[in-house]
Amino acid sequence: DIVMTQTPLSSPVTLGQPASISCRSSQSLVNSDGNTYLSWLHQRPGQPPRLLIYQISNRCSGVPDRFSGSGAGTDFTLKISRVEAEDVGVYYCMQVTQHPYTFGQGTKLEIK
Amino acid sequence: EVQLVESGGGLVKPGGSLRLSCVASGFTFSNVYMSWVRQAPGKGLEWVGRLTSRVAGGRTDYSSPVKGRFTISGDDSKNTLYLQMNSLRTEDTAVYYCTSSHVAGGFDIWGQGTMVTVSS
Repeated sequence: DIVMTQTPLSSPVTLGQPASISCRSSQSLVNSDGNTYLSWLHQRPGQPPRLLIYQISNRCSGVPDRFSGSGAGTDFTLKISRVEAEDVGVYYCMQVTQHPYTFGQGTKLEIK
Repeated sequence: EVQLVESGGGLVKPGGSLRLSCVASGFTFSNVYMSWVRQAPGKGLEWVGRLTSRVAGGRTDYSSPVKGRFTISGDDSKNTLYLQMNSLRTEDTAVYYCTSSHVAGGFDIWGQGTMVTVSS
């Protein structure tokens, strides 16, 4: 199974400041079709997850452009350019390149 | 509106069975990849299993902890996905989410989840 490792596990951030979350996979996420199926999800307490970004850097409809994804192979990053209050919650990376699909442990974003 | 609604959760004794349902609306579930994902209380997300799209063969795959005990199936006439859970264990206690993929490599539609508690 592909192991997904996120850092940090907790990130206190000041409103208006940037935030960054790293996700590393135990093996390359490049699929046999040439695509890399790494996505980022956000979950607020008591809510289902919401997909933010898929295939490393594609934002889903309605996701603010302050969210961006980057990376390749085994190393990926989610960046928030200026954190807003609604961004609090837990962020997960997820790979669907190979089953079983796997998630990172989650990174809790909180406001200082 | 595209949405998923789960039902069927509840309290069950260890060794018991439960069947979860996920009704899809606004799209035909057999045209996309569907997955079940669970979240134990206070824990992270864990993928349970998937049903690939009809074009991809309608194949099912499972995570190791549930393989042989859980079965995913679908009913085209009801546009509904199911998760049959047998030989339930206390560690299966979780909120179970149904999710569908409408963008390549991303699960973008999620249900609200249904709680399954396995306890004596």
